[in-house]
Amino acid sequence: DTAVSQTPKYLVTQMGNDKSIKCEQNLGHDTMYWYKQDSKKFLKIMFSYNNKELIINETVPNRFSPKSPDKAHLNLHINSLELGDSAVYFCASSQGGFSGGFPEAFFGQGTRLTVV
Amino acid sequence: SQKIEQNSEALNIQEGKTATLTCNYTNYSPAYLQWYRQDPGRGPVFLLLIRENEKEKRKERLKVTFDTTLKQSLFHITASQPADSATYLCAPNSGYALNFGKGTSLLVTP
Repeated sequence: DTAVSQTPKYLVTQMGNDKSIKCEQNLGHDTMYWYKQDSKKFLKIMFSYNNKELIINETVPNRFSPKSPDKAHLNLHINSLELGDSAVYFCASSQGGFSGGFPEAFFGQGTRLTVV
Repeated sequence: SQKIEQNSEALNIQEGKTATLTCNYTNYSPAYLQWYRQDPGRGPVFLLLIRENEKEKRKERLKVTFDTTLKQSLFHITASQPADSATYLCAPNSGYALNFGKGTSLLVTP
């Protein structure tokens, strides 16, 4: 059983489209995250949800909107896609968040988004 | 602003030698620091965590040190193997966030 799973693994779409990436974790963790890894390989946090509540919202265009229907799911919806949104997006989870007692993060396999 | 610097983008060593990777950070006061491994096309995988009150942590062939005065962590892989070839990421925590360095790409050749 995959601990953190993301779908789709690859996503190619045209500029201006709206797309979603889904993430599910079966670890029973209470905190989930979205990270972006750009072409220079920097891995940067975008959002953090703890028990369905938004904790971190880094400087991210408001075209990006996370949705957490329950503790085990955190989806990422992107409106009006731009060329610069092309990157690999990783979902991750941990127990207690990064200020808590079990901060080790488990990552999904990533979604490679290409905007053409 | 907060910065995480990992010593070099790429490190090539011979099988059996010890690999030493460096992570320096500025404008952080992390309560702990983590190291992850990332293989091409995969997500990062947690390796080790060291807390601010710990000087050293070991796990099998891995060893991490943490010097809060120097604001530096060293990551060692002893008796390196070609299977250790990957990118290694350093991540000091900052409140609720975990930010990563750019990583050091390690290549272990037979």
